[in-house]
Amino acid sequence: RKEVEQDPGPFNVPEGATVAFNCTYSNSASQSFFWYRQDCRKEPKLLMSVYSSGNEDGRFTAQLNRASQYISLLIRDSKLSDSATYLCVVKVGPSNTGKLIFGQGTTLQVKP
Amino acid sequence: DVKVTQSSRYLVKRTGEKVFLECVQDMDHENMFWYRQDPGLGLRLIYFSYDVKMKEKGDIPEGYSVSREKKERFSLILESASTNQTSMYLCASRATGTGGYNTEAFFGQGTRLTVV
Repeated sequence: RKEVEQDPGPFNVPEGATVAFNCTYSNSASQSFFWYRQDCRKEPKLLMSVYSSGNEDGRFTAQLNRASQYISLLIRDSKLSDSATYLCVVKVGPSNTGKLIFGQGTTLQVKP
Repeated sequence: DVKVTQSSRYLVKRTGEKVFLECVQDMDHENMFWYRQDPGLGLRLIYFSYDVKMKEKGDIPEGYSVSREKKERFSLILESASTNQTSMYLCASRATGTGGYNTEAFFGQGTRLTVV
């Protein structure tokens, strides 16, 4: 079983739609959680960290369920510019020596 | 602006060659990582380093080694390149978080390595 699993998609949605991505992780000792975004032929960049209480950044909402070892990302009012691959990332290990484990990514295509 | 620089964007090497991929970061980050990215498999961790001369194996270290002699530089070495090492290689760096603070990982632009 992969340490971090995502539905690879692709998700094809119209502009203005709400779309949700899910991610599960297997290591219960995982400490930190993130969503990264990767545009085609570019490097990944941090979209947002995921906190236990859930957090929001504009149209983006991230949730963490430690009991179920589950992370989600909700995008409201999708824009064409949201088209990208979204990577779920989990940090395993102590703050100073922990490693970052990536899911395989979920591809989103927003259409006019 | 944080900068992570990989020495080459594109590289073509022959089977059996020794290959060096270099990565330099300018933000005094303690942690550095090497990943490879393949279609359908996502980013897979090869090696990481949490301090100078310190290294840890990731999920797929076979066929690779690393060197971190200086804090800003993390090198990935393919001892004897093989065709199944054709891939996109991504380097990342990250500051050590304290007090539970989640620090961001910054990536280089990637090196597309083709082994023929």
